[in-house]
Amino acid sequence: NAGVTQTPKFRVLKTGQSMTLLCAQDMNHEYMYWYRQDPGMGLRLIHYSVGEGTTAKGEVPDGYNVSRLKKQNFLLGLESAAPSQTSVYFCASSYSGYQPQHFGDGTRLSIL
Amino acid sequence: AQSVTQLGSHVSVSEGALVLLRCNYSSSVPPYLFWYVQYPNQGLQLLLKYTTGATLVKGINGFEAEFKKSETSFHLTKPSAHMSDAAEYFCAVSINNNNDMRFGAGTRLTVKP
Repeated sequence: NAGVTQTPKFRVLKTGQSMTLLCAQDMNHEYMYWYRQDPGMGLRLIHYSVGEGTTAKGEVPDGYNVSRLKKQNFLLGLESAAPSQTSVYFCASSYSGYQPQHFGDGTRLSIL
Repeated sequence: AQSVTQLGSHVSVSEGALVLLRCNYSSSVPPYLFWYVQYPNQGLQLLLKYTTGATLVKGINGFEAEFKKSETSFHLTKPSAHMSDAAEYFCAVSINNNNDMRFGAGTRLTVKP
């Protein structure tokens, strides 16, 4: 029972490099989310999607882009990585806007 | 806009003692309230949620929380702490739907033998 799977689990980038984080869910959820977690700040919503082909900005969207080409996948892209984007990134999904979210185990990203 | 405040970034209790983790929210309309737990190197897991109805909500692992509208609080309690309860706990609030769920900064619970 995989649930929400994030790849990769760890990554180190140099400033200016680009990369894509992949989130896959096998629960047929409509809603998917990307958060970043920083010490003492809880989780902050980056972008989210309410269905295949849709995306929307969250609380801290600058420097990130997302795509939801397939219902089960939600991609988070960093076009030009900056040290301020060093964080732990979590993907989550839910059936609807009123249901609890299911989280992946996170991607630990360091930007040097 | 709604917001969440968790009082105390670190709480330490002895095994068998009462656990009390505090959460206050601000919202002009009735919120949906959640408590999540995060173990090291893992994602968040739902402990319990309040939507409507009974204000005392029971969750997994013996935890419960009470929604007090007059105090705008949703404190998490457990009568007797276990070593396995050591983790970080997050309170979250959502209005209308989860598109705008806001998380507190988290409280790290330590359980001493």
